[in-house]
Order: sequence, then C-alpha cells, then structure tokens
Amino acid sequence: SQTIHQWPATLVQPVGSPLSLECTVEGTSNPNLYWYRQAAGRGLQLLFYSVGIGQISSEVPQNLSASRPQDRQFILSSKKLLLSDSGFYLCAWKQGAITEAFFGQGTRLTVV
Amino acid sequence: GDSVTQMEGPVTLSEEACLTINCTYTATGYPSLFWYVQYPGEGLQLLLKATKADDKGSNKGFEATYRKETTSFHLEKGSVQVSDSAVYFCALRRSGGSQGNLIFGKGTKLSVKP
Repeated sequence: SQTIHQWPATLVQPVGSPLSLECTVEGTSNPNLYWYRQAAGRGLQLLFYSVGIGQISSEVPQNLSASRPQDRQFILSSKKLLLSDSGFYLCAWKQGAITEAFFGQGTRLTVV
Repeated sequence: GDSVTQMEGPVTLSEEACLTINCTYTATGYPSLFWYVQYPGEGLQLLLKATKADDKGSNKGFEATYRKETTSFHLEKGSVQVSDSAVYFCALRRSGGSQGNLIFGKGTKLSVKP
C-alpha cells in the first residue's frame, strides 16, 4: 500500500534561518506531488506541485522554493525564513487517474 | 477561476445534533468534489467524494450530494459525536489536465460538546 512520510512534525526556526522540509512517498511511482500551506485563520493554499522529477510549478510567488530530486521525494526550502512563513505545511500525492489526493501528517512551522 | 466557498465557522453543536456544512463551487467543466477532514494536530484525510452530478458520497455517517444545478456539495450528518470535532474542508478537482490540483475552501471548524 502507498504511504506518505513528512518530517519534521514540528519546527521552530528564527527569522532569517534556512528551511528544509522533506516529503517521501512509498508504494507508488511517478506520483504528482504537492506542497500546501495552511496559515492561521486561512484555508489551504497550494504552493507548489510537481508532475515529475525536476519539474516544479509554483502557484504563488513567495519566499519558498521546492525541488524534486527523486521520483518520490519532494522538498520544500527557504534560504531565509520570514515571520509570515509560519504555518502548517502539508505534502500530498495523487496518482494520475485517481481523483483524490493523499496527505501527509503535516509540519507545523513557527518562525520566531 | 475555479473556487470553493464554504460556510464560515466555527460551528458548535451538542452531541447527537444534526450537522450541515454548506459548500458551493465555481468551476468550468465537470469537477470532482471532495470533503476532507483534519483532526487536531493531524494532516488531511479524505472523508468522501463524488465525481459526477447527482452522485452521493458517504462515509462514517456523513453524506454529501453533488448538485450541479445549484453548484453545491453540502456536508450532512444526522447525529454528530464528540469525535467528529475537526476542521472540514470542501474541495474540487478540475476536470481534465494532468496536474489534478485540488482547490480547497477555507475550512469549517466543528466542535461537538458532550
């Protein structure tokens, strides 16, 4: 069966520090991968998606970047965090014809 | 562009009360519709889905019917439990395209009191 792993679960980082959140999927190949952010009092916002290795599409301009170095690995990064980057980050995957996406447990990021 | 609008929360109910969370959408074509649930401190889980008009999705006592004429997908449950306390998200997936991106509503927080 397919599983998705996302880590760390919680993270507290100072302003200006770098960020790296990792997401891996097991049990499937060539999935579509997604990074969402859920900010306090707001809904889910799609940040990035990827349909293949090295292919990244950004939905909104921001302080973050994403990379997909391997088929089932999706990384969210920042060189210098801002206070506004605080939020709950969710990785998700879906497979082609399957309509629903499957989510990881999320990472709660607090920038102080 | 495509969008999802769901009722603002929070919603507070007593155990065994009836629940309705409204969701309407704007989309071109024939999207698939979903309800996801997020329990405290966790990621999102698919609750139910419907892929075409008049389909009814159901799971764990929750139901939602895809109404194309009213562009709605309201979530209902006849008798809620304390364990149903969570944030509920309505979402759509655009028809066509390879990305399959989901568009979410802002979420509705439900608190059920014993």
